[in-house]
Amino acid sequence: LAKTTQPISMDSYEGQEVNITCSHNNIATNDYITWYQQFPSQGPRFIIQGYKTKVTNEVASLFIPADRKSSTLSLPRVSLSDTAVYYCLVGGSGGYNKLIFGAGTRLAVHP
Amino acid sequence: GAVVSQHPSWVICKSGTSVKIECRSLDFQATTMFWYRQFPKQSLMLMATSNEGSKATYEQGVEKDKFLINHASLTLSTLTVTSAHPEDSSFYICSAYDWVTSGANNEQFFGPGTRLTVL
Repeated sequence: LAKTTQPISMDSYEGQEVNITCSHNNIATNDYITWYQQFPSQGPRFIIQGYKTKVTNEVASLFIPADRKSSTLSLPRVSLSDTAVYYCLVGGSGGYNKLIFGAGTRLAVHP
Repeated sequence: GAVVSQHPSWVICKSGTSVKIECRSLDFQATTMFWYRQFPKQSLMLMATSNEGSKATYEQGVEKDKFLINHASLTLSTLTVTSAHPEDSSFYICSAYDWVTSGANNEQFFGPGTRLTVL
């Protein structure tokens, strides 16, 4: 499974856009890129998944360049409730897939 | 939809005792369930993968005789920590997967976690 590298922590302020970049140089052809969010003392929650180019849903956007060696999670206009740990995971999409979590990025949103 | 529950949400036990944690998919049938452990300020570590009716597959370094996993039905998996010791104190999280419910994203649905404290 491809290893991922993310910044350990980030700080932002309410209303700002936050971009979290993840490096996955060894991504395989059939690997997808998935982001999860985790609040303290809770299980992670799925945010978004993509394979290439750009994916957008109601909470975030995911930008993936052509070489797919990195990806950027974009959170528009963050609020205090977006303070959490964000995990970038890379893996295949066929059948069930083990999720190997990296260290994640601890995002702190300030008033 | 796609709700996963865990019971208990927290448990305190004495060293040497066994503790059972339940993971249930409430509104879907989970073909596969996963168990994770998370220490404070650390990431989730996958412990094992269980498919209904089959023996669990443990990750390297996880003692299968210490962490007994049973996936007897499509909606219930249990993790039993046998002869628990203080170093087993951790946050245990399960997740459930079903190819229909998970959809194109192959999303895993996580439970709220169980905090185990071994005295």
